Parts: sequence; structure tokens; C-alpha cells
Amino acid sequence: DQQVKQNSPSLSVQEGRISILNCDYTNSMFDYFLWYKKYPAEGPTFLISISSIKDKNEDGRFTVFLNKSAKHLSLHIVPSQPGDSAVYFCAAARAYFGNEKLTFGTGTRLTIIP
Amino acid sequence: NAGVMQNPRHLVRRRGQEARLRCSPMKGHSHVYWYRQLPEEGLKFMVYLQKENIIDESGMPKERFSAEFPKEGPSILRIQQVVRGDSAAYFCASSQTDRDYGYTFGSGTRLTVV
Repeated sequence: DQQVKQNSPSLSVQEGRISILNCDYTNSMFDYFLWYKKYPAEGPTFLISISSIKDKNEDGRFTVFLNKSAKHLSLHIVPSQPGDSAVYFCAAARAYFGNEKLTFGTGTRLTIIP
Repeated sequence: NAGVMQNPRHLVRRRGQEARLRCSPMKGHSHVYWYRQLPEEGLKFMVYLQKENIIDESGMPKERFSAEFPKEGPSILRIQQVVRGDSAAYFCASSQTDRDYGYTFGSGTRLTVV
């Protein structure tokens, strides 16, 4: 039962353009969402998060949007840079319930074309 | 300030042997999480520990797997009588407090069962 879904396994974007990565979830108990970035042979690195009381959170070139009614979130990277090429994982948590674990999506491999 | 240290980076075991994976959290972090990533999948939660206590082991297989986080020393994930299906990347993460979901992950241990 995949509660967090990233339906695009891969995405290619021209350098300087906007990258948009999407994530859908099915469990309405999730109330905290995160994006992680992962390079080969390394562990995931936390990028940005958003609580369900917000619909947008921005940090430099990274913005996360949350649409609770659609159970959908997206990560926007602008402008995209070659160093952004990595696998991006969406993750969700039930923070209000004090649940510590993260449920991850299967990832989207982003390739930035110079 | 060293990050989360996992060793070994690579571990090869024959079927039926035991695998021991070690994780030293970041300095000052007392919360440790283990996740497993099977090929072409996202990370799956296994267990959450605090010093000397298992808080949530809902993701651990019922048999052959155990975890500990002693008062002194690293956290250990132990897999007894390994099978081919245990081949995966095992990631440890740590945090300073609970509900600090932006975990810091280690680089992982890649277990191969032959």
C-alpha cells in the first residue's frame, strides 16, 4: 500500500529553467511533509518541509506547495542548476499524533541538462 | 562536527550468516532511526530508538531482525540468518529531539547477500 506516490520516475530539465517535482499522498492523517535529495552512494539530505497549516514554504531556490484538498504537493526549483541533478524523495509524517516515522515516496530522478 | 557515521559502507554476507550494521549518531543527538531501501524503491521505516529504548519497531520484520542503542556506543542493527531478500541499502538517521523530522542521514550500509 503506497501511501506516498511519486508518479514520475524521472525528469529532465534545461539548466536555468524551473524544475517541478510532484508527489501525491493518500493518508489524510499526514500533516507534515518533507523533500529530501539524494546523490548516488550517499544518504538523503533534507531540503525543505511544510506543515499542513501552510500551503507554501520557500527557501532560496526551493519552494514547496501543498494542496491538502487534492492531497498533492510539489517542489519547485528555480533556476535549476547542474548540481541539482539527483534523486528527490517526498516524505510524509503524522506529526500531530506524535508519530516519528517518515513514509517515503519512490523518488524522482532529476537530470539538469547544461 | 562529524555527521552520522555508518559502517561498514559495504557488507557481503553468505546466506545464513549474521550481519551487523553500526550507526553513530551526530554528537548531541539521542534519537536514532533505521530505514531500508530496496532496489528501485523508496526508503522504508524500520525502527526508532532512543538511548537504551526501542520506541517504535513497527517496521521491523518480526523474525531475524533486531536493533539496539546502548547507553554507550553506536546503534546496532542485527540481521540473523540473512537471506537474498535482505540485500538492500540500510540508512541510519539521527535527530536531536523528537518530532524533528529533518533527520540527518548517514551514507548507508549496502548489504549484499550471496
